[in-house]
Amino acid sequence: QSVLTQPPSVSAAPRQRVTISCSGSSSNIGSNAVNWYQQLPGKPPKLLIYYNDLLSSGVSDRFSGAKSGTSASLAISGLQSEDEASYYCSAWDRGLNGLVFGGGTIVTVL
Amino acid sequence: EAQLVESGGGLVKPGGSLRLSCSASGFTFEHAWMNWVRQAPGKGLEWLGRIKSKTDGETADYAAPVKDRFTISRDDSKNKLFLQINSLKTEDTAVYYCASPGGYSSSWFVLWGPGTLVTVSS
Repeated sequence: QSVLTQPPSVSAAPRQRVTISCSGSSSNIGSNAVNWYQQLPGKPPKLLIYYNDLLSSGVSDRFSGAKSGTSASLAISGLQSEDEASYYCSAWDRGLNGLVFGGGTIVTVL
Repeated sequence: EAQLVESGGGLVKPGGSLRLSCSASGFTFEHAWMNWVRQAPGKGLEWLGRIKSKTDGETADYAAPVKDRFTISRDDSKNKLFLQINSLKTEDTAVYYCASPGGYSSSWFVLWGPGTLVTVSS
């Protein structure tokens, strides 16, 4: 059971928009930055969003992040086949004094 | 170009030990708070721990499930990061990644190695 909760999967048609949620608590998301990664099969994770809503260098602006209270979200607009991947949120947890990840969300383009 | 490359993985018997290495290049390694993350087959990402820079005390923080068996160290003269794993268990089977932060000590990782596979099996 992951400290941060993500839906196992989301799907949408090409050119549509999907949103992935990440739910935590006051000790992690509520008090620290949320970051998002994309992972393609057999590859290491790639940073998409850092510090809640900042776009990592070279990442398409179809990706955006937001945070409110103890929850965060990643949105992908104009969905493309190349967006099919697993997505993970992360945040520092001051109670655990460690970094925690969400369980990951698989995005499928229909 | 900044790069991380892990090595040292392989097949190990339960109860054994292993030392993983991560070679860094293309950035100021000595200033970076370096991290280890692993991913079991078909599972999600799990942060294992980090080591601060020498100027920040070179202390390490660990995830609770591994703190008694894992030790992170670094050799700044060789731009290398290490992960010592003792008393290996079958559940330690995973790809192990080293990762460097975006801003030396930040909680987001801009650079990842390709990973090294550790398989624990008798």
